[in-house]
Amino acid sequence: DSGVTQTPKHLITATGQRVTLRCSPRSGDLSVYWYQQSLDQGLQFLIQYYNGEERAKGNILERFSAQQFPDLHSELNLSSLELGDSALYFCASSVGLGTDTQYFGPGTRLTVL
Amino acid sequence: EDQVTQSPEALRLQEGESSSLNCSYTVSGLRGLFWYRQDPGKGPEFLFTLYSAGEEKEKERLKATLTKKESFLHITAPKPEDSATYLCAVFTGANSKLTFGKGITLSVRP
Repeated sequence: DSGVTQTPKHLITATGQRVTLRCSPRSGDLSVYWYQQSLDQGLQFLIQYYNGEERAKGNILERFSAQQFPDLHSELNLSSLELGDSALYFCASSVGLGTDTQYFGPGTRLTVL
Repeated sequence: EDQVTQSPEALRLQEGESSSLNCSYTVSGLRGLFWYRQDPGKGPEFLFTLYSAGEEKEKERLKATLTKKESFLHITAPKPEDSATYLCAVFTGANSKLTFGKGITLSVRP
């Protein structure tokens, strides 16, 4: 158990809908990262927050957004969902920035029908 | 753009048959190379971080090494419970992200 929690574990929804994925980092960690994992693309970095501020962006679609709250938990919002958005979404956390080890949560499996 | 290539894509070993997994990378200014283990449907589990060429780290049956162009994960006398996908990732600090390879799926037969 990494200490990173994610809810829900599974999410099944329809195209065009909007969902919110939630992540609680390990105690003491200030950085939160979001990744998408699909069979053909592997693990892809989406976005990073540090102590409430956005720090880095990867290949995140405009339909996707995230935020980190004062209690350091983070939410990833996915809207206008398409079939291709079906994937595993992972949250990771680290103490700070740079090469601090990123510890991953158990993931949320999103299925868009 | 940072690139990470892992080979082979899949590896099947007999229990006790040692082998190595390869991770080659093309980056500007490597600051760290990470190895993770991932079981099906689970999140990646951290194994090692290597920071500079020549560095080695060990944990049980696993040993990770780093050169200027690649890293190896050596598995000595593997057991069936070592079956998993092993992911390699690089951190260059350019934009605070980890760039992952596609992973190597290891299967160890009893």
